[in-house]
Amino acid sequence: QVQLVQSGAEVKKPGASVKVSCKTSGYTFTSFAVHWVRQAPGQRLEWMGWINTGNANTKYSQKFQGRVTITRDTSANTAHMELSSLRSEDTAFYYCARYRLGATGSLDYWGQGTLVTVSS
Amino acid sequence: DIQMTQSPSSLSASVGDRVTITCRASQSISNYLNWYQQKPGKAPKLLIYAASSLQSGVPSRFSGSGSGTDFTLTISSLQPEDFATYYCQQSYSIPPVTFGPGTKVDIK
Repeated sequence: QVQLVQSGAEVKKPGASVKVSCKTSGYTFTSFAVHWVRQAPGQRLEWMGWINTGNANTKYSQKFQGRVTITRDTSANTAHMELSSLRSEDTAFYYCARYRLGATGSLDYWGQGTLVTVSS
Repeated sequence: DIQMTQSPSSLSASVGDRVTITCRASQSISNYLNWYQQKPGKAPKLLIYAASSLQSGVPSRFSGSGSGTDFTLTISSLQPEDFATYYCQQSYSIPPVTFGPGTKVDIK
């Protein structure tokens, strides 16, 4: 069955970087893009960016441009999201999700989420 | 960017009630509209894709309709496990993917 399993919770100081991993299984990794979405406490879902797992092309939200880097490791069927220059407002759950293209597009499977806490 | 709005922001309902949530896009998105359910502390779960198609494994009491700018999610008979927050999301013009602000459904 399709699974996306994310790395564990992180606590970081302001100004540091965090790297979250998303290990996939149960499907052909390079056939589906992976998106990253975050959710601050009590807030709506916020899209960060995506990676074409086949050719490693990426697109990022303008809000995070310059601070976020999404990569993939095809040998490990894993996608990574690194966010730099962390500030307290980056405290949130970070989710990876598989993008199913089809006739329209949808995020059909999600990781369990990784809590990143930014605190001095 | 395409902006998504939802109404109401929250509602209280009883088990067995029919519940309708609306979502509006800032421009026409054809049927490129998805609905997700999120329970506290959990990841979102895809319920409806392409405005009206039921995701595999989702109960048939959930249905979606609409096209263009206006969409609805209907739960025909609310069950205890349906108390959650519901988000719409457009996939017509990406990037960026955009979500609605959510509608919280709780127990009356």
